[in-house]
Amino acid sequence: AQKVTQAQTEISVVEKEDVTLDCVYETRDTTYYLFWYKQPPSGELVFLIRRNSFDEQNEISGRYSWNFQKSTSSFNFTITASQVVDSAVYFCALSGISSGSARQLTFGSGTQLTVLP
Amino acid sequence: DTGVSQNPRHKITKRGQNVTFRCDPISEHNRLYWYRQTLGQGPEFLTYFQNEAQLEKSRLLSDRFSAERPKGSFSTLEIQRTEQGDSAMYLCASSSDWGNQPQHFGDGTRLSIL
Repeated sequence: AQKVTQAQTEISVVEKEDVTLDCVYETRDTTYYLFWYKQPPSGELVFLIRRNSFDEQNEISGRYSWNFQKSTSSFNFTITASQVVDSAVYFCALSGISSGSARQLTFGSGTQLTVLP
Repeated sequence: DTGVSQNPRHKITKRGQNVTFRCDPISEHNRLYWYRQTLGQGPEFLTYFQNEAQLEKSRLLSDRFSAERPKGSFSTLEIQRTEQGDSAMYLCASSSDWGNQPQHFGDGTRLSIL
């Protein structure tokens, strides 16, 4: 079975602060993929990043960065110099070979990020 | 390149009625997924199509739920004899059919059961 835990239900920060969203996962698969999605108030899930289990290099994209640590089964997401437009629910998700050909995503329960002006 | 399109955006119906939602995936995507999202939770997988073949449907919530993708393009999700507990956001996603390509989601259909 696969499981994704996002222990932080809600986080509030003031604009320009850095914020880290935690994600811990469980899987028996040796090959798997991790994802982050953003869900703004409009409701559409927006894809942010995909990482495979063999690539533990951290990734940076503008103000976003991701820290993948297999040893602790974590895939944390940091927003640097947060902005009001970053306010949204952020989901971490997992997909593995045990999902079969479907490759369906197992989502965490999400973290509501509020960035205050 | 248009994204995933879902219709309607909102559906309000009385308990016991049947409802049908439509999803138009990104045109070059062969894989199509349906998820359900309840308040405060992440999306929950329901079913999956590879072209017109429904390859995974064991996670549909009950036999009142069914989905089709007759020509391998758009898909429909039907809920028969709706119940209060069916109130949720129903999300459709599509992806290309190799590896673990990211799924791209539509805006969803919000179902409210009176």
